[in-house]
Amino acid sequence: DTGVSQDPRHKITKRGQNVTFRCDPISEHNRLYWYRQTLGQGPEFLTYFQNEAQLEKSRLLSDRFSAERPKGSFSTLEIQRTEQGDSAMYLCASSLRLGTTNEQFFGPGTRLTVL
Amino acid sequence: QKEVEQDPGPLSVPEGAIVSLNCTYSNSAFQYFMWYRQYSRKGPELLMYTYSSGNKEDGRFTAQVDKSSKYISLFIRDSQPSDSATYLCAMIRGEADSWGKLQFGAGTQVVVTP
Repeated sequence: DTGVSQDPRHKITKRGQNVTFRCDPISEHNRLYWYRQTLGQGPEFLTYFQNEAQLEKSRLLSDRFSAERPKGSFSTLEIQRTEQGDSAMYLCASSLRLGTTNEQFFGPGTRLTVL
Repeated sequence: QKEVEQDPGPLSVPEGAIVSLNCTYSNSAFQYFMWYRQYSRKGPELLMYTYSSGNKEDGRFTAQVDKSSKYISLFIRDSQPSDSATYLCAMIRGEADSWGKLQFGAGTQVVVTP
């Protein structure tokens, strides 16, 4: 399978714990994005990388959230001191920036439940 | 007011009918428009990608963009029960510093009944 993969698919944690999610983009894609989706809403942008550089962060990304993309390959999203409001689907997408095209392809998501 | 407005539905149609979906937006800077399909508890799947105004057709799907009215549409012909899903519109501004940020609508739930 050459699509975007995410791990784990589901995570249940207790409030106050730290969690880390991983995203593996499509291999030749230089851009990687994180979005958050809550029930009944469209995905909301969190941050994105071009290669290893984090180029933009949403104000939704509080200081409890940190994302990395070492060596421009896979990415991790860590949430520290989780809160119940962090419960959501966390989606990763990747794209190949060529000229004016920027088609983003999504992974299956990691569903986080904070008890 | 949200930048992208989309009726959440649900929209129920009989098998074989045409499904008509639309979104309106407020920011004239949006230049690239997409439609995604999302099945329950899955990631969004890209269906159509268009630039600026005009029509684009791909099989049973037709996407239309009217930038003068800030209105985009997706039509699904000969709908099938397998088309039952949530359809999300999304768009990107064209400036170099906004390339990463897809702005989504809330999604419209579509149910195609046999």
